[in-house]
Order: sequence, then C-alpha cells, then structure tokens
Amino acid sequence: DIQMTQSPSSLSASVGDRVTITCRASQSISTYLNWYQQKPGKAPKVLIYAASSLQSGVPSRFSGSGSGTDFTLTISSLQPEDFATYHCQQSYSTPYTFGQGTKLEIK
Amino acid sequence: EVQLVESGGGVVRPGGSLRLSCAASGFTFDDYDMSWVRQAPGKGLEWVSGINWNGGSTAYADSVKGRFTISRDNAKNSLYLQMNSLRAEDTALYYCARDGNLGGSHPFDYWGQGSLVTVSS
Repeated sequence: DIQMTQSPSSLSASVGDRVTITCRASQSISTYLNWYQQKPGKAPKVLIYAASSLQSGVPSRFSGSGSGTDFTLTISSLQPEDFATYHCQQSYSTPYTFGQGTKLEIK
Repeated sequence: EVQLVESGGGVVRPGGSLRLSCAASGFTFDDYDMSWVRQAPGKGLEWVSGINWNGGSTAYADSVKGRFTISRDNAKNSLYLQMNSLRAEDTALYYCARDGNLGGSHPFDYWGQGSLVTVSS
C-alpha cells in the first residue's frame, strides 16, 4: 500500500499569512494527488485534484504543486474561513490512502 | 443538485453485522464509480471500499477485506456496504463519496453527511 505522510500535523497561523502544507508519498504517484478541506462536523470538500487543478468554486488563493512523491498545498493569504483540517489523498492505486491530516489553527 | 444520503448506522455488538445504504440523486448514478470512506472519532480519513460504475469491479482496504462487501443497485441509484464481523476499531462515521474522475485523477467530489457506526458491547 502507498503511505501518505503530511507535515506538519498542526499549524498556527494568522489571517493574511501564506501557509504551505506538504504531503509525501511512499512511492511515485505521478500527479494522482488530491487535497481536501474539512471543517468540524462537516464532510470533506475537495480543493485541488490531480496535484494542481483547482476544483470549481474554490478560491484562487488555494494552489497545489508537485509530482512523483512530493506535493504541496499553499494558501496565499489566509482568510478566517480557511481554519480547518486539510487532508491529502492519493488516487494512483487502491487502496486509496489519505495523509493523517493537518489542523490549521488561528494564532 | 447532487445529493448523497447515508442511512443504516447504529450501535452494534462486536461480531455483529450492519448494512449501510447511500441514496444518490441529482446526477446519473451509473456514470460514476463510488466509494465508502470512514473517519474514527477524532482521527483522519480512511478509504474503506470502492466500486466501479457497473459493479463489476470492487476493492477494499486490508482492514476490512473479507468482512465488508460493497455493492450497488443502479436501478435504485443506491450504494451499499454490508459490514460483518464488526470490531471495536470499525467504530467511525462512514461517508459515501462519488469518484469525480476529473482530469484523469479520481478525487471524491461529492460526499454524504455520514452515518455513524458504533461497535460496543
């Protein structure tokens, strides 16, 4: 199985900050990498698919990059509604696996 | 509007069985692969099982293989998860999710609200 490792596990930041979350796969997954945002008590919502494609309706302050084993999610200027947990997920092969999540908190 | 509505969760004793259902609407159900994803309390997301558009291909996480069975009824726009030999570690919120098949990738682009399964004696 492909293991996905996110870092950091938690992060404190302020409104307006630029934030980067990383995700590493245990083997090459090309660009089969997706990012989700999850708020408390809600289902996850896809932000980025295929490593760098912005899902329809998602603000352009979110961006993704990477290929192979190393990927990043960047939020260019944090907004109050961005404080949430972020998950990466590989869709290269089953079992599809998720990272452990990164909780983004207000500083 | 795409909607996925799970049902069938509840409290069950270890070793027991439960069947989850997911009713889909707002899209052509048999155009899409579907999956079940779970989240234990306070934990991350775990993909459980997936099924292709016509039910001809299924896949499972190692943690549930041999105990859980995924199926679908395209005539009823419904997805199912039969869970047998349940264990305490299966306690989680179970989400039904649509495989968006976007840009060659397979993100889960729509999710239900989840159905809570609690395995406890």
